[in-house]
Amino acid sequence: QLQLQESGPGLVKPSENLSLTCTVSGGSISSSTYYWGWIRQSPGKGLEWIGTIYYSGSTYYKPSLNNRVTMSVDTSKNQFSLKLSFVTAADTAMYYCARLEWANWIDPWGQGILVTVSS
Amino acid sequence: QSVLTQSPSVSGAPGQRVTISCTGSSSNIGAGYDVHWYQQLPGTAPKLLIYGSNNRPSGVPDRFSGSKSGTSASLAITGLQAEDEADYYCQSYDSSLSGVVFGGGTKLTVL
Repeated sequence: QLQLQESGPGLVKPSENLSLTCTVSGGSISSSTYYWGWIRQSPGKGLEWIGTIYYSGSTYYKPSLNNRVTMSVDTSKNQFSLKLSFVTAADTAMYYCARLEWANWIDPWGQGILVTVSS
Repeated sequence: QSVLTQSPSVSGAPGQRVTISCTGSSSNIGAGYDVHWYQQLPGTAPKLLIYGSNNRPSGVPDRFSGSKSGTSASLAITGLQAEDEADYYCQSYDSSLSGVVFGGGTKLTVL
């Protein structure tokens, strides 16, 4: 079955860039049916959608994060990535990658990766 | 501030029925977009519980059901069990934001 796995540094310094990669296994990221996305959850808080990408490279970002977020896709590696620039302590969160049906549900989710922003 | 509004907490005794509400607006639930529900057990990733307002993925017990009306939706859990203790999130799509929106989450406590 489809599985997603996040990878990247668990500690990022303030004002630097946060970069994460999601590796998809058990299915193709080039599926025309699905989109791929990032969702984060600050400690003790709720879920926050960050952005969505299609295998063609089309991207959709949360407006309030739009100027700091960049998502990309590498179909040859079956991976997609997130870059969040100029991070602050407020960006400390568990970051999940997931598969999305456009304007619909999110399933499955990766196990998540905790990223702490601290000097 | 979440776009979708959920009560922060709900509780019930084993065997009882509880409902969790999710209120949106004319740009998301009210615009006809489906509502989906996720269960997040402590220390784990969210899991899809209900999709398309009232459909259960394979493996989800029929004790869980969803409904939608107007700008709101509800998740009902019957025959409460101890393992149902978790956080529950509603989710939809918002046309004005052109993206995914979540409720703030409801913590279910099984007494």
